[in-house]
Amino acid sequence: DIQMTQSPASLSASLGETVTIQCQASEDIYSGLAWYQQKPGKSPQLLIYGASSLQDGVPSRFSGSGSGTQYSLKISSMQTEDEGVYFCQQGLKYPDTFGAGTKLELK
Amino acid sequence: EVQLVESGGGLVQPGRSLKLSCAASGFTFSDYNMAWVRQAPKKGLEWVATIIYDGSRTYYRDSVKGRFTISRDNAKSTLYLQMDSLRSEDTATYYCATYNNYYFDYWGQGVMVTVSS
Repeated sequence: DIQMTQSPASLSASLGETVTIQCQASEDIYSGLAWYQQKPGKSPQLLIYGASSLQDGVPSRFSGSGSGTQYSLKISSMQTEDEGVYFCQQGLKYPDTFGAGTKLELK
Repeated sequence: EVQLVESGGGLVQPGRSLKLSCAASGFTFSDYNMAWVRQAPKKGLEWVATIIYDGSRTYYRDSVKGRFTISRDNAKSTLYLQMDSLRSEDTATYYCATYNNYYFDYWGQGVMVTVSS
């Protein structure tokens, strides 16, 4: 199985701060990577697919980049509503696998 | 508006069975691959199974292979997960989701399954 390693496990950011979350795959996943946001008690919501394509309706302060085995999610200006847990996921090969998650809190 | 509504969860004893349903609306269900993803309490996300849009192919994670069956009724726009020989480690919130090539673009609200004696 392809292992997805996310870092950091948690972080806190101030309003307006830039936040970056990393995701490393155990092998090349050829940009077959997606990012999700999950708020407490809610289902995950797709933010980014194809490593860098923004899902419809997602604010433009979210962006994704990377290739090969290294990917990142950036929030350009932290907002209150961005608190939650962020997961990366690869779908290149079965089984689809997720990172362990990054908990983002407002400082 | 895409809506996915899961049902059928609950408390079940180890070794027993449970069948989850996911009613879809707001899109052409028969055009979409569908999947089940679960999340154990306070844990991360874990893909469970996927079914191709016409039901012709199914895929399972190893730990549920032979115990779980994913199926669909396109006429009723409904996805199912038949879970047999349940184990304590199957305790989780189960989400149905649309599966678009390699990512999950729409998710239901989830249904809780607790396996305990």
